[in-house]
Amino acid sequence: GAVVSQHPSRVICKSGTSVKIECRSLDFQATTMFWYRQFPKQSLMLMATSNEGSKATYEQGVEKDKFLINHASLTLSTLTVTSAHPEDSSFYICSAINSPEAFFGQGTRLTVV
Amino acid sequence: DAKTTQPPSMDCAEGRAANLPCNHSTISGNEYVYWYRQIHSQGPQYIIHGLKNNETNEMASLIITEDRKSSTLILPHATLRDTAVYYCIVRVAGGGATNKLIFGTGTLLAVQP
Repeated sequence: GAVVSQHPSRVICKSGTSVKIECRSLDFQATTMFWYRQFPKQSLMLMATSNEGSKATYEQGVEKDKFLINHASLTLSTLTVTSAHPEDSSFYICSAINSPEAFFGQGTRLTVV
Repeated sequence: DAKTTQPPSMDCAEGRAANLPCNHSTISGNEYVYWYRQIHSQGPQYIIHGLKNNETNEMASLIITEDRKSSTLILPHATLRDTAVYYCIVRVAGGGATNKLIFGTGTLLAVQP
């Protein structure tokens, strides 16, 4: 089946720094990718929809200036957490649709210290 | 908001069938029922999907009621590795930005030895 690769799988950063997470569709092209965040013992929460060649669409309550999304090619979307704070520590997951299925990356565990 | 309702948790004995219910009483005519599962600290994994007919694949069977207001995912012979959170999602099939997956709270299936 189709594969979505996410990198890094785990990252620790200092408060105030920025972190970039990459999401790649390895064997299909994805004009649309999705970014989720998941806190412990909670479900996945959709943060934004990444659109190739255009601006991302953010869900209500998600700060677009803090979570920068770039989708420069049909196989790569990046999420940059800017000026990270401890409350941004979470599990971030990306997804891409190879219709009719949606495929998910393995997730990135971000810890801000 | 998620358009599905699932029990928060279920237990199942190893080797027995696991039957996971899902209510989706407001499902639209063009919406499919999708099932995913998430094993701890991993990205969600696609299991199966269907529109109105029952479906079966190597992982599971999906039974959809005639009125399409509910469905049941069946794992025929549960193993310890099937312990995970199972999510039932309704969405229109297709790869567009409007076809995002919204996750509800899911069912934590605990397979007991």
